[in-house]
Amino acid sequence: DAKTTQPNSMESNEEEPVHLPCNHSTISGTDYIHWYRQLPSQGPEYVIHGLTSNVNNRMASLAIAEDRKSSTLILHRATLRDAAVYYCILRDTGRDDKIIFGKGTRLHILP
Amino acid sequence: DGGITQSPKYLFRKEGQNVTLSCEQNLNHDAMYWYRQDPGQGLRLIYYSQIVNDFQKGDIAEGYSVSREKKESFPLTVTSAQKNPTAFYLCASRDFWSLEQYFGPGTRLTVT
Repeated sequence: DAKTTQPNSMESNEEEPVHLPCNHSTISGTDYIHWYRQLPSQGPEYVIHGLTSNVNNRMASLAIAEDRKSSTLILHRATLRDAAVYYCILRDTGRDDKIIFGKGTRLHILP
Repeated sequence: DGGITQSPKYLFRKEGQNVTLSCEQNLNHDAMYWYRQDPGQGLRLIYYSQIVNDFQKGDIAEGYSVSREKKESFPLTVTSAQKNPTAFYLCASRDFWSLEQYFGPGTRLTVT
């Protein structure tokens, strides 16, 4: 299975943009890049996903490198409620649907 | 409201006892999943099911069992064979045509 690499933790100031990186150098052509986040003592929630083009939604933006070997989740204006663990995962719906979550990046927001 | 429910939120059991964790969804989703999360760790896949009456082992299936007799239900049994059962257990579901996974609130199991 294709794997992702993320920093263990990051810090950001409130109301500033946050860029969360993810490396996936072994990504295949049919892998989608997904981001989820998990607030303390809760289940993860979907944030965004993309294949090749950059994507925007109400929660965040996803910037995908041209070679697709890395991506960046962008929170445009961090709030204290954005403090969570962010997971970057790869999914290929053409194969067996075995979705794997790594350790993710713990994002700390400083007031 | 549509969603995934897991009950109970906290569960305590004595060592050597089997325990079944409930997971129900009314989203009409085809696929369902069970994950285990230990403190400070990511999620590890236990079992998943893409269709009723069918399921596959994940990375850490030993000591666990599941059934999928109904589309909306995917209970997980933690057996006495599971060496370290104390953990946070998360259930999730996904529509066949969607890439988005929906998670339940989790059950925190403590075995002493």
